[in-house]
Amino acid sequence: GQQVMQIPQYQHVQEGEDFTTYCNSSTTLSNIQWYKQRPGGHPVFLIQLVKSGEVKKQKRLTFQFGEAKKNSSLHITATQTTDVGTYFCAPERGGSQGNLIFGKGTKLSVKP
Amino acid sequence: EAQVTQNPRYLITVTGKKLTVTCSQNMNHEYMSWYRQDPGLGLRQIYYSMNVEVTDKGDVPEGYKVSRKEKRNFPLILESPSPNQTSLYFCASSPLAGVVGYEQYFGPGTRLTVT
Repeated sequence: GQQVMQIPQYQHVQEGEDFTTYCNSSTTLSNIQWYKQRPGGHPVFLIQLVKSGEVKKQKRLTFQFGEAKKNSSLHITATQTTDVGTYFCAPERGGSQGNLIFGKGTKLSVKP
Repeated sequence: EAQVTQNPRYLITVTGKKLTVTCSQNMNHEYMSWYRQDPGLGLRQIYYSMNVEVTDKGDVPEGYKVSRKEKRNFPLILESPSPNQTSLYFCASSPLAGVVGYEQYFGPGTRLTVT
């Protein structure tokens, strides 16, 4: 079945350092969403990417969708302790509109 | 307030004792889904529903049942729970519209322990 690889699984950074998580698929994706889950919380939607090569920014967060629509990334500039949590990519499943498949997530910890 | 609610939030039960976890949304969403979250495995889909009376298996459906008799409710049923179903469960919903999917709204989660 369809698989999504997300790396790294864990990332420990010093506050102020940058952070990037990558999401890769063997198949072409129609669109991809990103979610954040704070410790003890539930996943919360961050953004959706649809177009090839699309780049979207939310303050210190930059989201990219690859030209071939097979990969995506989330980059956080100058991490803060509020960025702590697990970040999931979630492409739409092929042939199943609105139905997502979640990556395993990247758990980010930030040392003050 | 737009939300997805789950009950109970925490449950400790014994092997074989049937249980139901309820999920309800007040946003008139067509799509609803159940996930389980286990350390290192991310969110794995159990069942999903595209609308009333329409349900389908996700990636890990064994040992679970669902029903969608009303648009707002999507209960998860464990007929005979086993210890390997100990997990954190999330219900989610989203509208389905046209070409592009919409964000999923998650409930607060249900932590289930089966002894």
